[in-house]
Amino acid sequence: NAGVTQTPKFRVLKTGQSMTLLCAQDMNHEYMYWYRQDPGMGLRLIHYSVGEGTTAKGEVPDGYNVSRLKKQNFLLGLESAAPSQTSVYFCASSPNGQGPEKLFFGSGTQLSVL
Amino acid sequence: SQKIEQNSEALNIQEGKTATLTCNYTNYSPAYLQWYRQDPGRGPVFLLLIRENEKEKRKERLKVTFDTTLKQSLFHITASQPADSATYLCALENGSARQLTFGSGTQLTVLP
Repeated sequence: NAGVTQTPKFRVLKTGQSMTLLCAQDMNHEYMYWYRQDPGMGLRLIHYSVGEGTTAKGEVPDGYNVSRLKKQNFLLGLESAAPSQTSVYFCASSPNGQGPEKLFFGSGTQLSVL
Repeated sequence: SQKIEQNSEALNIQEGKTATLTCNYTNYSPAYLQWYRQDPGRGPVFLLLIRENEKEKRKERLKVTFDTTLKQSLFHITASQPADSATYLCALENGSARQLTFGSGTQLTVLP
């Protein structure tokens, strides 16, 4: 099993450009999450999904959109990138969100917005 | 507002000693708390989960305590090794939609 796979691993954008980050999990997990990690601020939840076709806002959703058309995939979109979105982005999944569950993380995407 | 604080300074210890990392929180009443390990350039990896009604949890050389009165969790690594060098994150369930909120982490370096 590959677990949680994120693509791409690195990306450089110019301000105003758009892009989509892809997250794929092969564990048949119901819940999926997108976090961003900035120095000194820890992981902050952007959006999450409790199942195929559903999404919800997290702590810092502004400037991002997400889609969960298939259970195994969770896409994070930046419509008009800003330098403040320079960060490391992590996708995670958990089995079904019922009771305490550990999260399984991908290896991250380093995004720089110039 | 809700807040999670971990050791703000990096922690250096000598190989073989016990490392103790602290996670303090305010304005939370978490049902459980988790600890993760993160190596440079990698995603966090789950280590331990402790529930509010558990005082202590152990796994091999790792021990976690959870004091809901003090609003604090301590994470111990006994007989530390250089391979234990990493950033350790605590995470609290915030009571809604099973979301976890993470601390900013403590960078541990075990010196040979």
